[in-house]
Amino acid sequence: GESVGLHLPTLSVQEGDNSIINCAYSNSASDYFIWYKQESGKGPQFIIDIRSNMDKRQGQRVTVLLNKTVKHLSLQIAATQPGDSAVYFCAEKMGGNEKLTFGTGTRLTIIP
Amino acid sequence: GAGVSQSPRYKVAKRGQDVALRCDPISGHVSLFWYQQALGQGPEFLTYFQNEAQLDKSGLPSDRFFAERPEGSVSTLKIQRTQQEDSAVYLCASRVDRDTEQFFGPGTRLTVL
Repeated sequence: GESVGLHLPTLSVQEGDNSIINCAYSNSASDYFIWYKQESGKGPQFIIDIRSNMDKRQGQRVTVLLNKTVKHLSLQIAATQPGDSAVYFCAEKMGGNEKLTFGTGTRLTIIP
Repeated sequence: GAGVSQSPRYKVAKRGQDVALRCDPISGHVSLFWYQQALGQGPEFLTYFQNEAQLDKSGLPSDRFFAERPEGSVSTLKIQRTQQEDSAVYLCASRVDRDTEQFFGPGTRLTVL
């Protein structure tokens, strides 16, 4: 069935560098996308979201880009810090359907 | 204020036992969700409540899984006759209303031996 997927399962980035985590989605009916961060032993933590009528949204040190043409979502984290080490999930939601569909996640490791 | 809380945090059950997992959402949050997260995977939707009404239970894997939220606040996920494949982290999330952020609890790690 249709699902959200990620290109890379692991990513290592030097502290202070920028990181980019990518996500491909296949359901063209999805209209809302969210990035979550999950640390070991904890539940997912909301980072940033974007609706399908936008192609870019910025938060504190994070930017989400949405390319509906190729059904691609990315999360950019600027000036990475050790506390950014975690698993990052993208999730999608279709209008009229309340559930979130998550991808399998990318583990981001920040190298000191 | 307090976030979403779940209890117990860890549960070990023998195959065939029944278990009950509790979720205390953030006070005032109308919507409540249950997700199942297998090791190394993303969360998968199980069921959704709006107040006390269970509006979507399409993700429940079998009739051994049952969820309730009788007073529109605390919710319980019950798994009957547990199987080894039920071993996972069960996450609860709540939100103020539609089209708002879901806040997740820490999860209950269920291990079925």
